[in-house]
Amino acid sequence: DAGITQSPRHKVTETGTPVTLRCHQTENHRYMYWYRQDPGHGLRLIHYSYGVKDTDKGEVSDGYSVSRSKTEDFLLTLESATSSQTSVYFCAISTSVGRSYNEQFFGPGTRLTVL
Amino acid sequence: SQQGEEDPQALSIQEGENATMNCSYKTSINNLQWYRQNSGRGLVHLILIRSNEREKHSGRLRVTLDTSKKSSSLLITASRAADTASYFCATFARGSNYKLTFGKGTLLTVNP
Repeated sequence: DAGITQSPRHKVTETGTPVTLRCHQTENHRYMYWYRQDPGHGLRLIHYSYGVKDTDKGEVSDGYSVSRSKTEDFLLTLESATSSQTSVYFCAISTSVGRSYNEQFFGPGTRLTVL
Repeated sequence: SQQGEEDPQALSIQEGENATMNCSYKTSINNLQWYRQNSGRGLVHLILIRSNEREKHSGRLRVTLDTSKKSSSLLITASRAADTASYFCATFARGSNYKLTFGKGTLLTVNP
C-alpha cells in the first residue's frame, strides 16, 4: 500500500460545515493526488500536488481546497460541505520521477456523507 | 472529462473462462495502466504498458495497446472467483503533469 493512510475513514457531517480529510504517506514521494469516486463517474481528480506548497486543480476542484505544508501530508478541505460532495475520497501517490511516468498507489479511501 | 472509456460496463463469466475488457481513449498518451478495485477498497495497480509497446504479460494478465486505434484490452485468463472486481484503465497523456485520467470501469463478476 506504499505506506498511505487516510483519516478519517468514515465521516458523516451536515451541510454547511467545514470538513478536512488527511492523507499521510511514509515514503517521501513528491506527487500526491485527491480523487473522488461516484457511481457512474469513475474516479475524478480533485487536486494534486507536485511538492511542498505546490498544488494545482484537477477536473472537479470547485468547492475544495488543498494544502501541503509537509512532504508526507496532503490535506483536502471542504470549506462548506454540500450534499453533492457525498462521495468516497481516495488519496494517491505516484512514484514518477523525471520522465518516468509510473503507476499510482492508492490509500484505503474515506467515505464522506453530507446530510 | 474522461480520457478512457471501458467496455463493457459489466461482465459476468464462469470460473475458468477468460475475461476481456476494452478501453478506448482520446488523446496521445505516454502510457496506459490498468487497475483493479475490490468492493470497498482502494485501487490496486495491475500493469502498465508504454506507448511504444504493443503487448505485455503479467501472470494471467495480458494487455494489448493499439495507439493507431487509441484502444487497449485487458485479458484475464482462467478466471477465478477472486478476480471479481471493478477494472479501470487510466492514461498518462503527454504534457499532463503526472496526472492520470481514469475511465468509469468494468465490473467483472466471476461465478464459481
